[in-house]
Amino acid sequence: KQEVTQIPAALSVPEGENLVLNCSFTDSAIYNLQWFRQDPGKGLTSLLLIQSSQREQTSGRLNASLDKSSGRSTLYIAASQPGDSATYLCAVDSNYQLIWGAGTKLIIKP
Amino acid sequence: DVKVTQSSRYLVKRTGEKVFLECVQDMDHENMFWYRQDPGLGLRLIYFSYDVKMKEKGDIPEGYSVSREKKERFSLILESASTNQTSMYLCASGLLNNEQFFGPGTRLTVL
Repeated sequence: KQEVTQIPAALSVPEGENLVLNCSFTDSAIYNLQWFRQDPGKGLTSLLLIQSSQREQTSGRLNASLDKSSGRSTLYIAASQPGDSATYLCAVDSNYQLIWGAGTKLIIKP
Repeated sequence: DVKVTQSSRYLVKRTGEKVFLECVQDMDHENMFWYRQDPGLGLRLIYFSYDVKMKEKGDIPEGYSVSREKKERFSLILESASTNQTSMYLCASGLLNNEQFFGPGTRLTVL
């Protein structure tokens, strides 16, 4: 059974720092991995989708990598800003369903 | 841009009421999903649909049913609402094995 883990559960860093969020999964047979952002009390915003055949995807200050063989993905945020404060969730598409991590709550201190 | 809309942002219902949550997407996606999100439990899949009039149970279908009469609309029904169904409900749509797009969520309180 696929399991997805996100570490750390919470992270607080000063504005301007580069940071990495981690996501690991137990079964490498995935179709894709998706990173989302969720602001308090709101829905989810899709950030990046990496297909199983890809190694990374970039969007602005965000870069996501995927290493299927080791069951890991990272989300790199460059030059963090207070507006990046949110909960970040990763999800793997496994057998037509998304399997979710519990999220990392990120706080960027001005 | 993909748009997924949900009928209500906040909803308060009484125990035993029948509750309808509606979701509409404008991107002609085959797949639509209903999740609930609770603190400490994360997102859990209730039902999904891969085509009109088709539905599949997710991880926690008990107490819920769904309806998909048109491709763009996926409804979640609570036949007899209970307090343990107080939650944030999130609808999503997407193509097979591709990106999922979420609506803004409905925060349901059952008293």
